[in-house]
Amino acid sequence: SQQGEEDPQALSIQEGENATMNCSYKTSINNLQWYRQNSGRGLVHLILIRSNEREKHSGRLRVTLDTSKKSSSLLITASRAADTASYFCASTSYNQGGKLIFGQGTELSVKP
Amino acid sequence: DVKVTQSSRYLVKRTGEKVFLECVQDMDHENMFWYRQDPGLGLRLIYFSYDVKMKEKGDIPEGYSVSREKKERFSLILESASTNQTSMYLCASSLTGTMGDYGYTFGSGTRLTVV
Repeated sequence: SQQGEEDPQALSIQEGENATMNCSYKTSINNLQWYRQNSGRGLVHLILIRSNEREKHSGRLRVTLDTSKKSSSLLITASRAADTASYFCASTSYNQGGKLIFGQGTELSVKP
Repeated sequence: DVKVTQSSRYLVKRTGEKVFLECVQDMDHENMFWYRQDPGLGLRLIYFSYDVKMKEKGDIPEGYSVSREKKERFSLILESASTNQTSMYLCASSLTGTMGDYGYTFGSGTRLTVV
């Protein structure tokens, strides 16, 4: 059961540009998390935003959450070639027993 | 540096073999999870465990079992490997929160090919 749907599926930008990825989900959530996955590797936790929060920052990352629209966005500012990876949103909700359910991911390519 | 270690990066097994995928974490996390990742299907939860000797089925448990005899170790067992179990397998762990209040720490993954 996929909770999150991400948009776009793939994004290609130049170094220095900002990258925005969006995530929509279906049911009420407890929190929403973003992860990065470099090719062929495990996922790395980036940031967690709770359902009562609207915006959160971590370094060059900015996450917003709109519970009325059941959506979240991840903004990476001043992107670098090293940001090239797949980015996944994942959420937990009370009716999922607290399990983390992942979206399909956005593949980001940052060209030097 | 906290770690989740999966025993093999790449594994090739024959159809019908019993396969063990091992995962060890050094963070004293209560929760451990096994996912498989396939192109176009994303990450799907196979099994998880909230405590020693405890296990819960995820979304796709068929053909798999798990074992958690010690807190730090969570093993995924393919009882009789089949070609449709060729996949990337990811182990993760997390602290216990009320409802997933903590991020997961993932291992590097095991790419299993069943021939």
